[in-house]
Amino acid sequence: QSVLTQPPSVSGAPGQRVTISCTGSSSNIGAGYDVHWYQQLPGTAPKLLIYGNSNRPSGVPDRFSGSKSGTSASLAISGLQAEDEADYYCQSYDSSLSASYVFGTGTKVTV
Amino acid sequence: QVQLQESGPGLVKPSETLSLTCAVSGGSISGYYWNWIRQPPGKGLEWIGYMYYSGSTNYNPSLKSRVTISMDTSKNQFSLRLSSVTAADTAVYYCARSTNIVVRGFDPWGQGTLVTVSS
Repeated sequence: QSVLTQPPSVSGAPGQRVTISCTGSSSNIGAGYDVHWYQQLPGTAPKLLIYGNSNRPSGVPDRFSGSKSGTSASLAISGLQAEDEADYYCQSYDSSLSASYVFGTGTKVTV
Repeated sequence: QVQLQESGPGLVKPSETLSLTCAVSGGSISGYYWNWIRQPPGKGLEWIGYMYYSGSTNYNPSLKSRVTISMDTSKNQFSLRLSSVTAADTAVYYCARSTNIVVRGFDPWGQGTLVTVSS
């Protein structure tokens, strides 16, 4: 069971904007640890989409944006495209008794 | 650019040890954290552990008693051993690099290899 909670699914029409939430606690996101986001296209390995809460690696379209506030983070996809249909995972560090790098539960985006 | 490729047996018997290797090409092992991450079929991602290029390790507490990560710098590769496996260890296993996991995450990832635990 993950300590970072995401909605199981979100959907939107082409061109629309969707957001994915990642809810943590005072031992991970709320403690100030950065949140990263990964995109996993069907049958492929995850790919880093956003690092350090809001930074895009080279080559990632600016349609993808990230933010963080309090014990939560969000990934926004604007101008939704068919190729954005994938699973998305948030990731951070948890400093509880079982300190570890943790992933969110994952969100399936349907276009 | 750096590329990672996992290899190893696709089928392991219960109670035996799972062994995988990640070959690193297009870059050096030096200066990075080298990670193993797994994903059971249809489920989410779980960080297993890392070895820093200097040799230090850090493992997920839930797996720590069964995990060993090692490195062969002469071959530019690192390995995972997971002992006493059960069906719950059936997953796609990925290797991934990080410059600093807390602030940069995992990037890039290997393509992954499916390991099934079954008799």
